[in-house]
Amino acid sequence: GQNIDQPTEMTATEGAIVQINCTYQTSGFNGLFWYQQHAGEAPTFLSYNVLDGLEEKGRFSSFLSRSKGYSYLLLKELQMKDSASYLCAVMADSWGKLQFGAGTQVVVTP
Amino acid sequence: DVKVTQSSRYLVKRTGEKVFLECVQDMDHENMFWYRQDPGLGLRLIYFSYDVKMKEKGDIPEGYSVSREKKERFSLILESASTNQTSMYLCASSFGGGTSGQGRGSEQFFGPGTRLTVL
Repeated sequence: GQNIDQPTEMTATEGAIVQINCTYQTSGFNGLFWYQQHAGEAPTFLSYNVLDGLEEKGRFSSFLSRSKGYSYLLLKELQMKDSASYLCAVMADSWGKLQFGAGTQVVVTP
Repeated sequence: DVKVTQSSRYLVKRTGEKVFLECVQDMDHENMFWYRQDPGLGLRLIYFSYDVKMKEKGDIPEGYSVSREKKERFSLILESASTNQTSMYLCASSFGGGTSGQGRGSEQFFGPGTRLTVL
C-alpha cells in the first residue's frame, strides 16, 4: 500500500528555522509536492521535486532523495504568518493523483 | 489565475438526506478530484475524473457518487447522508496527461472547501 509519514506538530520561534521531514513508500513515483494550508483555507502549492536534490525558493526550500524515499521542507527566517499545516504529497502514477500525508502543523511563537 | 469554486462554504444536513456538492474550475483542466479532510487523517481521495463523463474511485468511495457532465464542473453526491460523513470536503483540479500535465504542470489547485455537518 501507500504510506506517507510526517510529524504531527512542530513548534519554533519567530526568526528560526524549521525542517519538516516526509518519508514515503509508494508503488510508483512521479514527483513530490509540498502544500501549505492555513486554518479554514484551501491548500496552496509551495514546491515540487522530481529529481534528487535541493530546490530553493526564497525562504522555503525542499529536498528530495528518491533512493531513501525521503523529502524535507525547510522554512527559514520564520514569520508568524508561517503558522499553518504543511502537507507532503506524492504523485505515484501518471494520471495526476496525489497521495497525501496527514500534514504537519507548524506553530510559530513570538 | 486559476479559480476553483465550491457551491457552499458551510452546509448542515440531516441523516438520510441527499446532498449535492458542486465544484467549478475555470482553467480548462482535464482532471478534477474530490477529497475529504479529517483531523489526523489528512486529505483522502474520494473520486477522481480525468475527462468528461469519466470517473475513477479513490481510496474511500463508499457512500459517495460523482457526476461530470461538463469539463468545468464536478459534482459529489451523498445519496443518503450519514453522521460519519461530517467532514471538510475539498475539490481540486489539474491538467491531465500530455506535456502540460507533466511535472509541475500536474499541480492541483484547490477550492475553498465545504464544511458539511450531518445531524
